[in-house]
Amino acid sequence: QSVLTQPPSVSGAPGQRVTISCTGSSSNIGAGYDVHWYQQLPGTAPKLLIYGNSNRPSGVPDRFSGSKSGTSASLAITGLQAEDEADYYCQSYDSSLSYVFGTGTKVTVL
Amino acid sequence: EVQLVESGGGLVQPGRSLRLSCAASGFTFDDYAMHWVRQAPGKGLEWVSGISWNSGSIGYADSVKGRFTISRDNAKNSLYLQMNSLRAEDTALYYCAKDIGPHIAVADPFDYWGQGTLVTVSS
Repeated sequence: QSVLTQPPSVSGAPGQRVTISCTGSSSNIGAGYDVHWYQQLPGTAPKLLIYGNSNRPSGVPDRFSGSKSGTSASLAITGLQAEDEADYYCQSYDSSLSYVFGTGTKVTVL
Repeated sequence: EVQLVESGGGLVQPGRSLRLSCAASGFTFDDYAMHWVRQAPGKGLEWVSGISWNSGSIGYADSVKGRFTISRDNAKNSLYLQMNSLRAEDTALYYCAKDIGPHIAVADPFDYWGQGTLVTVSS
């Protein structure tokens, strides 16, 4: 059962900016644990997109950015492209000694 | 190139057991913690279990605690998941994932994932 809440879907036209929220609680994001983001293209394994709240692994375009504040985090995609159509998941750690993922958000490029 | 290749999935009856394996290559396996993450058909990601670099620390999700056992063999560059007393709700694609660090329970991300092995629990 996911303890991090994300909107089920977001959409935007090519070139637009979309944001995905990830809402946790005082036992995970609010406790100071880092938030990471993964992109899952259809039929493939998840890929690390953002780590440590706002850092991009080598090879990830700077169109993707992350932020964290309080008990929430956000992923922003600027200059939306057709290839960005995928599912996106946030991840953190919970004081109950468990890694937790968000509920997932499907991004649709109109 | 980092590669993680899972195997051992299949169709199994409720209450039976299955052992998953993950063969790792392209990095120094015994420098990193490893994890199992599953994804039920059409659903989101769920962390199942993690093990530190030297097997000194192990963690499980509440949903599998007491039924699943994670282990690793650093000499063979391999990760395992022994799954006992399987239930229909364990049906999922099971991914092997590499941690960016050697320890678990430190909120590090998973930087490489395998393609997964499908486990179906059904009579």
